[in-house]
Amino acid sequence: DAKTTQPNSMESNEEEPVHLPCNHSTISGTDYIHWYRQLPSQGPEYVIHGLTSNVNNRMASLAIAEDRKSSTLILHRATLRDAAVYYCILRRNQGGKLIFGQGTELSVKP
Amino acid sequence: NAGVMQNPRHLVRRRGQEARLRCSPMKGHSHVYWYRQLPEEGLKFMVYLQKENIIDESGMPKERFSAEFPKEGPSILRIQQVVRGDSAAYFCASSPAGTVTEAFFGQGTRLTVV
Repeated sequence: DAKTTQPNSMESNEEEPVHLPCNHSTISGTDYIHWYRQLPSQGPEYVIHGLTSNVNNRMASLAIAEDRKSSTLILHRATLRDAAVYYCILRRNQGGKLIFGQGTELSVKP
Repeated sequence: NAGVMQNPRHLVRRRGQEARLRCSPMKGHSHVYWYRQLPEEGLKFMVYLQKENIIDESGMPKERFSAEFPKEGPSILRIQQVVRGDSAAYFCASSPAGTVTEAFFGQGTRLTVV
């Protein structure tokens, strides 16, 4: 399984945008880029996923580099409820297991 | 459409007892995944099941742990002769067959071995 690299932690101020980076230099052509987050004492929650093009949904945006070796999750206006551990995961096109790394712990300051 | 349901939410077992954790996937989902999260650690994949089949059990400990997903009823993660090191949060996720859309996670079962 291809690996991802994320910073251990990041800080943000409330109502400001947050850019969470992820490196995946060994990504294969059939790997989708998924993002999940885990709030304290809860199960992981899907955020967004993409293959090659940038993606937007109600929660976030996903910007994917042209060579697909890196991506950035963008939270447009951080709220206190966005404080969580964010995981960047590569998943094969046939589905299958999600392999979680250490993730980035995002803290949001009022 | 109810989400992924796990029960019990909290389970206390004495060393040597058996623990049974249940997971009901979302309606129409035929793929189930189990994960374990030890205190202050990340999520570790344990097993991936489809109805009546184990697809990938590469993360399952070799002894005492087993999982099933029968044709009818919930998926069961069974831990025999529990030890203190089994204390953790166990999460189940489900997804539809043959897609790369999101997996939906339950709220987990927190197992405490005393």
